Amino acid sequence: NAGVTQTPKFRILKIGQSMTLQCTQDMNHNYMYWYRQDPGMGLKLIYYSVGAGITDKGEVPNGYNVSRSTTEDFPLRLELAAPSQTSVYFCASSYSIGPGSTDTQYFGPGTRLTVL
Amino acid sequence: DQQVKQNSPSLSVQEGRISILNCDYTNSMFDYFLWYKKYPAEGPTFLISISSIKDKNEDGRFTVFLNKSAKHLSLHIVPSQPGDSAVYFCVEGGSEKLVFGKGTKLTVNP
Repeated sequence: NAGVTQTPKFRILKIGQSMTLQCTQDMNHNYMYWYRQDPGMGLKLIYYSVGAGITDKGEVPNGYNVSRSTTEDFPLRLELAAPSQTSVYFCASSYSIGPGSTDTQYFGPGTRLTVL
Repeated sequence: DQQVKQNSPSLSVQEGRISILNCDYTNSMFDYFLWYKKYPAEGPTFLISISSIKDKNEDGRFTVFLNKSAKHLSLHIVPSQPGDSAVYFCVEGGSEKLVFGKGTKLTVNP
């Protein structure tokens, strides 16, 4: 049971390039999330998904896209990378969530992205 | 707008002493909070939670206290150990969107 895995661990992009951050979980969780963490800040939600085929915006969705074709995978796409997207990106998953839920989210190790 | 504030960016304590990490919040819909711990180059991991029906939850060396009238919670670690050195995030839960504080970096000195 690997939990939540993310690839790559590190990446440097040039301004205007695009890339996809991969996230896979093997816990059969319904819910998956993408966060970014800037230096000295807490994690901010980019997008989340409550199940295959369903995604929704979080707090900071601009400049990103997601898809959820399977329960296991939740890739995050960056189009036209900008220096403001330099950050550490975390993927997470949980079995259940929502009002009144006491479930917890399980996080991957993160992808450190630098845009120059 | 939900907000979770951790006003101390860092805390340093001696091994064996108590560590107290504080958190204030506004406009909580669910009064359900979690603490996550994060080591460098790793993702956050869940540590302990507390719901509105309790004012205290204990798990080994970790205790979280919730004061709903003051909209304040705190995490106590007793006794502190060098392995506890990490960043601790206060998080509001209960919905599909977790709201993270900025974190407090705890350093436990041997």
